[in-house]
Amino acid sequence: AQSVTQLDSQVPVFEEAPVELRCNYSSSVSVYLFWYVQYPNQGLQLLLKYLSGSTLVKGINGFEAEFNKSQTSFHLRKPSVHISDTAEYFCAVSVGITGGGNKLTFGTGTQLKVEL
Amino acid sequence: GAVVSQHPSRVICKSGTSVKIECRSLDFQATTMFWYRQFPKQSLMLMATSNEGSKATYEQGVEKDKFLINHASLTLSTLTVTSAHPEDSSFYICSARVKAGGYNEQFFGPGTRLTVL
Repeated sequence: AQSVTQLDSQVPVFEEAPVELRCNYSSSVSVYLFWYVQYPNQGLQLLLKYLSGSTLVKGINGFEAEFNKSQTSFHLRKPSVHISDTAEYFCAVSVGITGGGNKLTFGTGTQLKVEL
Repeated sequence: GAVVSQHPSRVICKSGTSVKIECRSLDFQATTMFWYRQFPKQSLMLMATSNEGSKATYEQGVEKDKFLINHASLTLSTLTVTSAHPEDSSFYICSARVKAGGYNEQFFGPGTRLTVL
């Protein structure tokens, strides 16, 4: 079975500073990787996904992530954060040929708090 | 894009009553929907997979008789929390699976906040 680890439960950062949210996964088979954002009392919005191909994935709102197979990581980065980026971020993994259409296993989430 | 709605967005009920939550795919048909549960400041835990026209598949540890799932049409799945108790208070989120560009993706609803008094 696959699992996802988000080591940082909270990440405070000043506005316009860069940020990296860490995600590591474990799986015995090939995986598909996702980052979702959740604003308070709302559902999840897909930021970006890695299915195959280029290991550097660009998503919405200026976020990007890099798939590193040797380190089993999929860290999320943004070069300059905005106050509106304050939210909970979830890393997720899925296995199988249908990718995210299969069951998603989520990490415990990282609360990004952008301060002025 | 693919839009998923949930109704109600928030519900408060008394202990012992049953509550029904609806999940609708608004602009596409979804043969498969998923139901998740999220406790405060925790991750999403998959409860069950809902398949149109067949019985739902529940994850280990989820009580089938307590969380009734009905996927009667290609655009609607319902989750009924029967005889709700305070420990059932949680944020329930559904997602619907859709094929996009040869890849199956899940789109999430906005969630339903259930509070059992």
